[in-house]
Amino acid sequence: DAKTTQPPSMDCAEGRAANLPCNHSTISGNEYVYWYRQIHSQGPQYIIHGLKNNETNEMASLIITEDRKSSTLILPHATLRDTAVYYCIVRVLGRGANSKLTFGKGITLSVRP
Amino acid sequence: NAGVMQNPRHLVRRRGQEARLRCSPMKGHSHVYWYRQLPEEGLKFMVYLQKENIIDESGMPKERFSAEFPKEGPSILRIQQVVRGDSAAYFCASSLDSYEQYFGPGTRLTVT
Repeated sequence: DAKTTQPPSMDCAEGRAANLPCNHSTISGNEYVYWYRQIHSQGPQYIIHGLKNNETNEMASLIITEDRKSSTLILPHATLRDTAVYYCIVRVLGRGANSKLTFGKGITLSVRP
Repeated sequence: NAGVMQNPRHLVRRRGQEARLRCSPMKGHSHVYWYRQLPEEGLKFMVYLQKENIIDESGMPKERFSAEFPKEGPSILRIQQVVRGDSAAYFCASSLDSYEQYFGPGTRLTVT
């Protein structure tokens, strides 16, 4: 799986949009971009994933650049409960060894009141 | 639909004892993954199982650790002769089709 790089931390004000960047310059054509988050030592929580089109669900939006070398996770209206470590992961979908998730250090998002 | 369940949530073992961690996947999910998070470190993959089969155990320590996912019942991660370095949070995840993985709350193992 391709490696990703994320800034170690960022903060944003409650109610504002949080834009979390991720670089994955060596991503392959068949690799998806996944985002998970971990709130204070809880189990990681799936947020969203995409291949090349922008995606939106009830939690967030995922914007992937046209060359697919970077992406941004957008939390449109951050709340204090969104304070967590956010992991950007790229992976091939498939069975066997391709199934595992490889977590990096992630980015710590702090939402301030 | 209940999420992934893990028990116990907290487990204390003395050095040399055995630890058994249980994971019940979401209903209908036949893929189970175990991950370990050492203190102040990231999550590391350990093993991937599909009913009665180990698919990928590339992250499992070579000794003392084993995992199973029987036809009936929960998946079990077993650690024999625990040492202090085994103290960590152990997370189980399940998936329907090896795509999105849904995680349980974890078991925090403390070895004294």
